[in-house]
Amino acid sequence: GDSVTQMEGPVTLSEEACLTINCTYTATGYPSLFWYVQYPGEGLQLLLKATKADDKGSNKGFEATYRKETTSFHLEKGSVQVSDSAVYFCALSLSNQFYFGTGTSLTVIP
Amino acid sequence: EAQVTQNPRYLITVTGKKLTVTCSQNMNHEYMSWYRQDPGLGLRQIYYSMNVEVTDKGDVPEGYKVSRKEKRNFPLILESPSPNQTSLYFCASRALGSNQPQHFGDGTRLSIL
Repeated sequence: GDSVTQMEGPVTLSEEACLTINCTYTATGYPSLFWYVQYPGEGLQLLLKATKADDKGSNKGFEATYRKETTSFHLEKGSVQVSDSAVYFCALSLSNQFYFGTGTSLTVIP
Repeated sequence: EAQVTQNPRYLITVTGKKLTVTCSQNMNHEYMSWYRQDPGLGLRQIYYSMNVEVTDKGDVPEGYKVSRKEKRNFPLILESPSPNQTSLYFCASRALGSNQPQHFGDGTRLSIL
């Protein structure tokens, strides 16, 4: 069935380090892909999305490219800040169904 | 402001005492859904609705009921709550179309003693 697998955490980085959170998917059709962020005590917020192959989503310095050939949508940021500490969820949408990964916790230390 | 509003935000109650968590959205979205979030398990869908009077089971529907009498509201009902339903619950809504993102409420933390 359709599913999302993302890198297990927790991930701890120093401020200004590079971030990559891996996400791969399995889908029977052509899904749209999303990254959501959940700050402590809050709901999930859309971070970025890509709706077709080779699309790049970007927001707040984060980027992810929809790679059909590797069925991946890895989240990247060149220089993380303490305020990026949160849980990140990869998700896919297909035929009006949403599938989430299990989330990756990121802590950025000064 | 576009938003999904859940109430209550926190609730501690006892086994067997019926409770309802309300969810309302002001974006005229057709699709609404409920999730529970548990450590190590991520988000699991409980029920979803693609329009008024249309509801379907998600991955973990046991012990829950929903209704969709109006487009904006999608309450989650626990008829006889049990301790294994202690969790963090999120309501979400979206416009129809696979490229549309979901918009989430701030969550309801339920503790069933």
